[in-house]
Amino acid sequence: GDSVTQMEGPVTLSEEAFLTINCTYTATGYPSLFWYVQYPGEGLQLLLKATKADDKGSNKGFEATYRKETTSFHLEKGSVQVSDSAVYFCALSDIGGGNKLTFGTGTQLKVEL
Amino acid sequence: KAGVTQTPRYLIKTRGQQVTLSCSPISGHRSVSWYQQTPGQGLQFLFEYFSETQRNKGNFPGRFSGRQFSNSRSEMNVSTLELGDSALYLCASRPGGAIRTDTQYFGPGTRLTVL
Repeated sequence: GDSVTQMEGPVTLSEEAFLTINCTYTATGYPSLFWYVQYPGEGLQLLLKATKADDKGSNKGFEATYRKETTSFHLEKGSVQVSDSAVYFCALSDIGGGNKLTFGTGTQLKVEL
Repeated sequence: KAGVTQTPRYLIKTRGQQVTLSCSPISGHRSVSWYQQTPGQGLQFLFEYFSETQRNKGNFPGRFSGRQFSNSRSEMNVSTLELGDSALYLCASRPGGAIRTDTQYFGPGTRLTVL
């Protein structure tokens, strides 16, 4: 079945540091890939998405590229801010799974001054 | 456009009771999905409703059920509550067709505590 593997957290960075959160996936079909962010006490917000190979999703300085050859969708940001502190979830949607979202375990990011 | 709304935001129940959670999707969205979030199991898919019909179902016991009304609003019911049902229950909506590229938009969740 479908699965998503994310790097373990928590990740602690200083403000303005470079961020990478690794995400790899297994899917039977040709999935769409998503990054969602969850701030404390809130639901999930879509951060970015990519629907086909080599697509790059981007939003608020975050980027991720759909790499079919390595089945990866790593999240990057060039310069993080304290306000980026949250939990980040990688997810996929695949027709083989009825297009439900399959999530990774989440990676907690803490950005310090 | 208003986002996905869920009520109530917080709920405390005791074992053996039942509970009903409500979700109103974004206007015009016809698909509603439910997810359970726990520290141990993470985010898990419960079920999806589209046009008042269950379209997809996750691996949860029959105590978990749902329905969707003609205005696309959805309710989720859990009967005979167990301690392990304590979780954040998230509702998500999307326009409708079973399209893998669709974005699902999440509500703030209902925090259920079972004592």
